[in-house]
Amino acid sequence: SQKIEQNSEALNIQEGKTATLTCNYTNYSPAYLQWYRQDPGRGPVFLLLIRENEKEKRKERLKVTFDTTLKQSLFHITASQPADSATYLCALGSGYSTLTFGKGTMLLVSP
Amino acid sequence: GAGVSQSPSNKVTEKGKDVELRCDPISGHTALYWYRQSLGQGLEFLIYFQGNSAPDKSGLPSDRFSAERTGGSVSTLTIQRTQQEDSAVYLCASSLGLAGAKPGNEQYFGPGTRLTVT
Repeated sequence: SQKIEQNSEALNIQEGKTATLTCNYTNYSPAYLQWYRQDPGRGPVFLLLIRENEKEKRKERLKVTFDTTLKQSLFHITASQPADSATYLCALGSGYSTLTFGKGTMLLVSP
Repeated sequence: GAGVSQSPSNKVTEKGKDVELRCDPISGHTALYWYRQSLGQGLEFLIYFQGNSAPDKSGLPSDRFSAERTGGSVSTLTIQRTQQEDSAVYLCASSLGLAGAKPGNEQYFGPGTRLTVT
């Protein structure tokens, strides 16, 4: 069955550093991958979409890579700020199917 | 503009009672999704509606769960004879079209309804 793995342990980094979050998947060939941010008590908020034929996507301080050979996506936040502290979810999809979400990784940025 | 809204924000019910959760999607969004999120767990897909097509109910965990979408807008998720394992946050999302690789088809989530079954 499809499996999406995100680090269950929180990632603690210092302000100004680059945060890198990992999303690995197995038994799946997604056509695209999305990253969402979720704050406590709120619903997820869409951040970025990357397609299978795209290696990298950027948006302001965010960068996403997608390696279909490694079956992995990396999500980077450069010059991280305490306000970036949240849980980040990756979600995979193919065709017009619904998304399959990972459990998310909590990011804590300390000043 | 207004985002996705859900009501109630919190619901405490006794085991065995029925509950109804409501979702108001973004106006003009044809696709609507329901998810469940338990503590420490990922988003579990329950059901989605796309326009006038028959809903995809493949994620509903049991026949105690059902959902309707009236007039292509508001949706209600009903849980009958609630059990303690139904306690979770129920999230609704909508998108312009069915989730896919097209820009603009990202999902917009509501704040969720926290259901506690005692």
